[in-house]
Amino acid sequence: GENVEQHPSTLSVQEGDSAVIKCTYSDSASNYFPWYKQELGKGPQLIIDIRSNVGEKKDQRIAVTLNKTAKHFSLHITETQPEDSAVYFCAASLARWGGYNKLIFGAGTRLAVHP
Amino acid sequence: NAGVTQTPKFQVLKTGQSMTLQCAQDMNHNSMYWYRQDPGMGLRLIYYSASEGTTDKGEVPNGYNVSRLNKREFSLRLESAAPSQTSVYFCASSDNTEPTSTDTQYFGPGTRLTVL
Repeated sequence: GENVEQHPSTLSVQEGDSAVIKCTYSDSASNYFPWYKQELGKGPQLIIDIRSNVGEKKDQRIAVTLNKTAKHFSLHITETQPEDSAVYFCAASLARWGGYNKLIFGAGTRLAVHP
Repeated sequence: NAGVTQTPKFQVLKTGQSMTLQCAQDMNHNSMYWYRQDPGMGLRLIYYSASEGTTDKGEVPNGYNVSRLNKREFSLRLESAAPSQTSVYFCASSDNTEPTSTDTQYFGPGTRLTVL
């Protein structure tokens, strides 16, 4: 079945540095790739997503890149701040009209940003 | 606009007890989901409801039942709780109706369940 692998499982950076989290997926038909941020004691929140017809998407300090040939996508956070500390999940799905989008999640990356 | 709400926030059960986790959304979404989150395993889909009146099994349905009570509410029932069901449970919803579908799933705050 569909599988999503996420690396690293933990990431520690100094405030102001960049952080990169990488995911690979197995189903070449996947066409929707969201990233979620989960703060302690809360539910996951969508921070950015990308569809298979786009190679890169940016939103302020956050960017996501997609390489469909390699079945690989990455989250880039620049100028990290302590409030970026959280667990980040990637996911992949085959989005379709009129149905549901079955999200397959990676295992998560715990990011710690040190002042 | 509360988004997705879940009750209770915390629950402790003894093996064999039953309980129902409640979920409601006020975004008029057609699809709703139940996930469980275990350390190092991300989120795994238990059941989903693509639209009012329909439910289907996800990746890990054994030991659970669901009810889509109406468009707003989707409950998860543990008939006979087992220690392996100790987890954090998340409900989510999304709009999958053409042409407004965005594929984004919105999550509730979770229910932390411990089965002794």
